[in-house]
Order: sequence, then structure tokens, then C-alpha cells
Amino acid sequence: NAGVTQTPKFRVLKTGQSMTLLCAQDMNHEYMYWYRQDPGMGLRLIHYSVGEGTTAKGEVPDGYNVSRLKKQNFLLGLESAAPSQTSVYFCASLFTGANVLTFGAGSRLTVL
Amino acid sequence: AQSVTQLGSHVSVSEGALVLLRCNYSSSVPPYLFWYVQYPNQGLQLLLKYTSAATLVKGINGFEAEFKKSETSFHLTKPSAHMSDAAEYFCAVEAGTYKYIFGTGTRLKVLA
Repeated sequence: NAGVTQTPKFRVLKTGQSMTLLCAQDMNHEYMYWYRQDPGMGLRLIHYSVGEGTTAKGEVPDGYNVSRLKKQNFLLGLESAAPSQTSVYFCASLFTGANVLTFGAGSRLTVL
Repeated sequence: AQSVTQLGSHVSVSEGALVLLRCNYSSSVPPYLFWYVQYPNQGLQLLLKYTSAATLVKGINGFEAEFKKSETSFHLTKPSAHMSDAAEYFCAVEAGTYKYIFGTGTRLKVLA
């Protein structure tokens, strides 16, 4: 049981480039989330999804887009990367029966 | 909007000493509250959660937290610190149905 898998684990981008982070979960969870973690700021919610085909904005959605075409996958896209998007990104999924988030190992993104 | 505030971004304790990590919440109604732990280069994992069943909540690895409505607090404690407790700890609140907001984190250092 792999849980929540994030790819890639590391990526370096130049300003203006685009990329997509992939989150996959094999636990049949309905809810999925994308957070970014920055020093001194904790985890901030970017976008989340309450089910296949649905997405919603979190605390810091600007500059990001998401898609949930399949229940097991939640994609986070950066259309035009900026240095301010240098961060560690965490995906999580939720087992609603226990109200517990399961996190992936993180994706470290550097934008030069 | 519901939020949590963690006092102290860094806490150092000696091995065997009491661990106290502080979290205060802002909410007009008793919220669901959580403590998560992040070990180096890993995702977050649940330590414990408060869901109104009992004000004193016991979690994994000997940690516990007490919900105090009068103080709007949910501080995390452990009677005797171990070197393996060195990690970053995050308090979180359910700010909407299955929408989770995290605090800024407290990094715990355990001194030999």
C-alpha cells in the first residue's frame, strides 16, 4: 500500500516555465489537498478537491491551477513559475471516517 | 475565519525534561483540533486529534494534549523528552467541512 505518492521529488525551473506536480493516492479517498510549506509560515492550503471533477481554492491559490480528472490523482500546475513559488509542496488525502490526513513525502521546487 | 497560533517557532528541552508546545485557536464554536509531527525530509503524520469526545487526548509516542475552552488552547505535552522526539510539530484546525488550516509550526530540539 503506497499511500500518497508525489512526483517529482525535486525540480528546478526557470522563471516563466511551466510544470505540473502529480499526486496519486491508492486509498480511495474522496478528498485531496495541495499545501505549500515555507520557513516560518507553516503549511498553507493552495487548493483542494472534495471529489473527482471538483476543486476549490484554499488560502493561497494565486498562480496555481489544479485538476482532479480521476479520483486517485490530483494535479497541481504552475503556468508561469515565479521565484516566490520556490517551496516544498505537500499533497494529502483524507480518510473522512477518521478525519485524518495522509501526506505525501513532498516535492521540493526551486524557481530561479 | 478559524485559525491556530503556535507560540514559539523553536523550543529546546533536555532529554528527560517536560515538553510543552503551545497552540491557541480562534473559533466561535469548539473546533476539531489536531497535532501533526514532521520528521526531517518526511511528510506530516498525525499525533492526536480533538473531536469533542474528551478534553484530554492521548496520542502516539507518549504525547497528549488538553483542550481548554476557557483559554482557547490545545497545548501539546510529553512528560519526558526523548532524542527521537526532535521534529517539527504543527497544530491544525478544521476550518470548514474537511478543510484544514495549519499553524506555523514549532521545531523541537532535544538536548543530550
